[in-house]
Amino acid sequence: EVVLTQSPLSLPVTLGQPASISCRSSQSLVHSDGDTYLNWFQQRPGQSPRRLIYKVSNRDSGVPDRFSGSGSGTDFTLRISRVEAEDVGVYYCMQGTYWPPFTFGGGTKVEIK
Amino acid sequence: VQLVESGGGLVQPGGSLRLSCAASGFSFNTLWMNWVRQAPGRGLEWVANMNQDGSDKKYADSVQGRFTISRDNAQSSLYLQMNSLRAEDTAVYYCTSPFTVDNFQHWGRGTPVTVSS
Repeated sequence: EVVLTQSPLSLPVTLGQPASISCRSSQSLVHSDGDTYLNWFQQRPGQSPRRLIYKVSNRDSGVPDRFSGSGSGTDFTLRISRVEAEDVGVYYCMQGTYWPPFTFGGGTKVEIK
Repeated sequence: VQLVESGGGLVQPGGSLRLSCAASGFSFNTLWMNWVRQAPGRGLEWVANMNQDGSDKKYADSVQGRFTISRDNAQSSLYLQMNSLRAEDTAVYYCTSPFTVDNFQHWGRGTPVTVSS
C-alpha cells in the first residue's frame, strides 16, 4: 500500500500571503502509462471534499489560478499564491496510481492567523 | 452533476445497513464509482469501487468480506451493503465519481453512519 505523508499538519497563514503543503509518497507515483496520478483535495468546514488538482499540476474547472500543484516521483507540493478567507479548510493529497487501495495523505489544516 | 447519498443512521454493532447513491447529470453507466468514508474528526478513507457493468469490484482490507458494493445502471444508482458493522465503521460515507478522470470529479454530501449500542 502506498503511504502518503503530508506536512505540515497545521498551517496558519496571513491573508494575502502564500502557503505551501508538501506530500511525500512511499514510492514513485509514475504509472506505467507515463502519467502520475496525484490529486489534491480541499475540504472546507462542514463540506464534502472537492478536487482541486489532478495529475500533479492540472487544475479542475472552476478552481482559482492561485492554486497550483507541482512535483514528480515521490515529492509533491500544493501552493496557494495568496491565501483568501475562503481557502480555510483541510487539504488532502491522494494517489490513484497504485490501487486498490486509493490512499490519502493525513491532511493539512489551513487556518488564518 | 449530482450525487445524493441516503440510508445512513444508527445501528447496533453486528447489524447491517444499506446505503444508496442516486446519480444524475452525467453518464453514470460509463464510469467506475467509489465509496469513501470519513470517521468523525479524521481523514478520508477509500472503501470500495466498482466498474461500469459491475463485473469488477475492489475493497479496502478494513471492509473486505463485510461490505458489498453494487449498482443499478438503469436507475443510475450505487449501493453499499454493510454487514457485521463495528464501532470503527462509524463515519460519513460519500459516493464519488472516479478519481483519475481529467477535469471531472464529484462527491455527494455524504450520509452519516453511527455504529453504537
